[in-house]
Amino acid sequence: DAMVIQNPRYQVTQFGKPVTLSCSQTLNHNVMYWYQQKSSQAPKLLFHYYDKDFNNEADTPDNFQSRRPNTSFCFLDIRSPGLGDAAMYLCATSRVGQGAQPQHFGDGTRLSIL
Amino acid sequence: QKEVEQNSGPLSVPEGAIASLNCTYSDRGSQSFFWYRQYSGKSPELIMFIYSNGDKEDGRFTAQLNKASQYVSLLIRDSQPSDSATYLCAVRSWNAGGTSYGKLTFGQGTILTVHP
Repeated sequence: DAMVIQNPRYQVTQFGKPVTLSCSQTLNHNVMYWYQQKSSQAPKLLFHYYDKDFNNEADTPDNFQSRRPNTSFCFLDIRSPGLGDAAMYLCATSRVGQGAQPQHFGDGTRLSIL
Repeated sequence: QKEVEQNSGPLSVPEGAIASLNCTYSDRGSQSFFWYRQYSGKSPELIMFIYSNGDKEDGRFTAQLNKASQYVSLLIRDSQPSDSATYLCAVRSWNAGGTSYGKLTFGQGTILTVHP
């Protein structure tokens, strides 16, 4: 089945130790998004790629970076995680075109900071 | 600032009743409207989307859109305990560059509890 796959499902890292989260898709969608979601809050968009074009949200901290080496894969790098970065990180994809073009989410990676 | 407002609830309904979830949005340029269901600890799952005024039905779910009032709702008929979850309203406006996709703005979500 075509889908959005995130790895790992759970990630534990130490304060200040770089961490990378992975997202892959078999939907062949042009756009890939990274969201941060904290408990009882709405998902917050960090950035997105439209093909190779990177689009950062104005309030995304510099600590968060992203790479998209090809259509299928996208990575979220957190250079120096702080305690406030503990959250669920969600990857989503969507097509480009007329109509609604909903976003399809992966299962998420829950990040804990020690 | 584009805003999407939802009543956070919790909304509690008995099994078999109709659950009504409401959402208002501030951006008149919004094009498409989505309802996602999110179980605790899980990722959002798309339930329905709507982009024309009126009603759209899919099984037990009906989405209603009124662009003049900037209001979108989700009705769940014959509610089941398995419907207990947080329901996120999301609104899409056209990307600033005019490309044919758009970022979503999410509401805070409404917690729905269906009790037997």
